[in-house]
Amino acid sequence: QVQLVQSGAEVKRPGASVKVSCKASGYTFTSYYIHWVRQAPGQGLEWMGVINPSGDGTTFAQNFQGRVTMTKDTSTSTVYMELSSLRSEDTAVYYCARVRSGSYYFDYWGQGTLVTVSS
Amino acid sequence: QSALTQPRSVSGSPGQSVTISCTGTSSDVGGYNYVSWYQQHPGKAPKLMIYDVNKRPSGVPDRFSGSKSGNTASLTISGLQAEDEADYYCCSYAGSYIRVFGTGTKVTVL
Repeated sequence: QVQLVQSGAEVKRPGASVKVSCKASGYTFTSYYIHWVRQAPGQGLEWMGVINPSGDGTTFAQNFQGRVTMTKDTSTSTVYMELSSLRSEDTAVYYCARVRSGSYYFDYWGQGTLVTVSS
Repeated sequence: QSALTQPRSVSGSPGQSVTISCTGTSSDVGGYNYVSWYQQHPGKAPKLMIYDVNKRPSGVPDRFSGSKSGNTASLTISGLQAEDEADYYCCSYAGSYIRVFGTGTKVTVL
């Protein structure tokens, strides 16, 4: 069955970076884009960006450009999202979600990773 | 990209219908027939309920339906049930791989 399994919770200091992983299984890794979405405590969903697992293409939301990096390891079917220069407002649950090439909706989501930024 | 506008909350009694609006611009909702809706229960990941404006994935009850007119999309839940109490988010394609979410709506079953 399709699974997106994310890495565990993280606690970081302001100014640090965090790298969250999303391991895909149960489908052809290169046929689906992986998006990242975050949700601050008590707040709504915020789209961060997307990576094309079959190439090197990435697109980021304006709010995160210059601070976010998305990479992939095709050999392990894993996508990584790294966010730098963390501040308290980055405290949130970070989700990965897949979108089939040629479609426009998130059909499977990871379980979420809580990132807490605190001094 | 600004978030799409949704009402903060809607409510209804069991068996009633509720409709959630999702207002964007001609650059997102109005420009593409690629609006999707997600249900989120507390502490859980979002779940796809509607895609491409009005299509239901397998396993989603047919009491959930979607539509769009101009820059506003809508999700209707007919025959409201207790398990429908959750947060709902719309999401629109906005060109060049970009997505934009709605502000979210809390549905309360009275």
